[in-house]
Amino acid sequence: DAGVIQSPRHEVTEMGQEVTLRCKPISGHNSLFWYRQTMMRGLELLIYFNNNVPIDDSGMPEDRFSAKMPNASFSTLKIQPSEPRDSAVYFCASSLTINQPQHFGDGTRLSIL
Amino acid sequence: AQTVTQSQPEMSVQEAETVTLSCTYDTSESDYYLFWYKQPPSRQMILVIRQEAYKQQNATENRFSVNFQKAAKSFSLKISDSQLGDAAMYFCAYSTPNAGGTSYGKLTFGQGTILTVHP
Repeated sequence: DAGVIQSPRHEVTEMGQEVTLRCKPISGHNSLFWYRQTMMRGLELLIYFNNNVPIDDSGMPEDRFSAKMPNASFSTLKIQPSEPRDSAVYFCASSLTINQPQHFGDGTRLSIL
Repeated sequence: AQTVTQSQPEMSVQEAETVTLSCTYDTSESDYYLFWYKQPPSRQMILVIRQEAYKQQNATENRFSVNFQKAAKSFSLKISDSQLGDAAMYFCAYSTPNAGGTSYGKLTFGQGTILTVHP
């Protein structure tokens, strides 16, 4: 069975550019989570959805970050404009329901120059 | 707010030996979940084991077992018969099933412990 699929695996771009990260959750999973991992702050939750509806976006750092889930099989995390401090590994995870174990994608390593 | 603390930044173990990774957490809730995730150099996040707070019995998954001490808010991971493939960063994590809780459904992670396995 396919796991959580994230794309791209790596992204390098210049500051000021728009960045879009993509995630396809495991089929049948109703909850989707976006996390960011940095050396300084560790793993932090940015936002999560249940049945395509955002439940908690309190972890989104600022207005430059936005996330959407237009349907049950796709979500995006967008940064516009990007800044060097946004450099991190971004993980998407999904779970069958909101309280079931989360399954993580392989992450996107984002580097903003 | 709930916090998760892993006090051991690094640990090492000889192949075939046993190692224990420590984790403590702080919460005022009575019902919650605790997890150990493994992150090898490939950077995948792999669920190792899960414990439900209302269960007194410690969870086990093959060579992995936990020592869950609810009163002490302690949740350690024991790896028996360590293998080279166990080398990774290990994260302890917390979530709550309570819809009113601030950690409802979402994982709060500790800082991680790097485990090295020596042949």
